[in-house]
Amino acid sequence: KQEVTQIPAALSVPEGENLVLNCSFTDSAIYNLQWFRQDPGKGLTSLLLIQSSQREQTSGRLNASLDKSSGRSTLYIAASQPGDSATYLCAVRPMDSSYKLIFGSGTRLLVRP
Amino acid sequence: DAGVTQSPTHLIKTRGQQVTLRCSPKSGHDTVSWYQQALGQGPQFIFQYYEEEERQRGNFPDRFSGHQFPNYSSELNVNALLLGDSALYLCASSLGRTHTDTQYFGPGTRLTVL
Repeated sequence: KQEVTQIPAALSVPEGENLVLNCSFTDSAIYNLQWFRQDPGKGLTSLLLIQSSQREQTSGRLNASLDKSSGRSTLYIAASQPGDSATYLCAVRPMDSSYKLIFGSGTRLLVRP
Repeated sequence: DAGVTQSPTHLIKTRGQQVTLRCSPKSGHDTVSWYQQALGQGPQFIFQYYEEEERQRGNFPDRFSGHQFPNYSSELNVNALLLGDSALYLCASSLGRTHTDTQYFGPGTRLTVL
């Protein structure tokens, strides 16, 4: 059974710091992995989608990597800003159940001015 | 280009009642998925609709049912509400023909059961 874990559950950093959020999954048989941002009480905004054949994706100050064999992904945020404060969720699309996403519980990020 | 829309935004019901939530997919998308997100948790997959039929279902009881209309919009119905059904209900749309498409989420409906 696929399980997705995100560590740490919460993170507080000063503005300007570079930071890394971690996501691990137990079964490497996935089609892709997606990172989302969620502001309090709101829906999910897709940040990056990495297909299983890819190693990384970049968008602006965000870079996500995928190591499928080890069951790990990282989201790197460069030069963090207070506006980056939100919960970041990763989700995998498993090959044995390909129509659904399986989510981690998220990392709650606070960037202090 | 309108994204995924959901209605209502908030809803308060009492135990035992029934509720219907609505979702309109992003323009050009034909597939709708529903997720339940409890406070402090990641979303949990309820089911997905494609070509007006339930294509896959998660681990939710039969009290949760849905429908997809010819215009691809969808409804989620929950009968005999329990306190534990209080959550944010998210709708996601995609193009359902591949396993690699991006799912786009709506703003959600916050359901409170008293």
